[in-house]
Amino acid sequence: AQSVTQLGSHVSVSEGALVLLRCNYSSSVPPYLFWYVQYPNQGLQLLLKYTSAATLVKGINGFEAEFKKSETSFHLTKPSAHMSDAAEYFCAVTADTGRRALTFGSGTRLQVQP
Amino acid sequence: EAGVTQFPSHSVIEKGQTVTLRCDPISGHDNLYWYRRVMGKEIKFLLHFVKESKQDESGMPNNRFLAERTGGTYSTLKVQPAELEDSGVYFCASSQELSYEQYFGPGTRLTVT
Repeated sequence: AQSVTQLGSHVSVSEGALVLLRCNYSSSVPPYLFWYVQYPNQGLQLLLKYTSAATLVKGINGFEAEFKKSETSFHLTKPSAHMSDAAEYFCAVTADTGRRALTFGSGTRLQVQP
Repeated sequence: EAGVTQFPSHSVIEKGQTVTLRCDPISGHDNLYWYRRVMGKEIKFLLHFVKESKQDESGMPNNRFLAERTGGTYSTLKVQPAELEDSGVYFCASSQELSYEQYFGPGTRLTVT
């Protein structure tokens, strides 16, 4: 069984500040990890993915995440927040077991203050 | 290339009524998934089609939910009869045959009153 924990249901940062959204996972087999973003009134958009290649993964809109096996973490970062980054972010996990269902965290709503 | 589309975007029905949600995946994607997010909770997996076959329906909550995928193209999810706890946002996603990368639709917001 797999699970995902996102620490902080709401995160608020100032425009230009570092964005750090935390994700810890649990998986009995090597995981595949994803970050999705949902802007208001839109669907989920894939930001980036880790599928056992490079541990530092770069995604769209300046976001990146680092897979740390020893810490079972996949935190999402962006050096400088923009107002347009305000959205809800979801971390998700699956694995190469043949079962492709994604297990999601509960989501983190990012607010960017001017 | 068109993304995953879902219809309707919103649906408000009374308890006991029937509702059918539709999902059109990205053209050529063999894998189609349904997920649901009940308010305040996580997005939960419902089921997975490979072409027209149900590969994994372990997340379907009960037999009031019926999913079909006609000819391996679009999919429908019927809720009959609807209950209050069925309210939420229903997402559809699709992926290519060997890919774990799922592309999501905008969701259908279902409200049961």
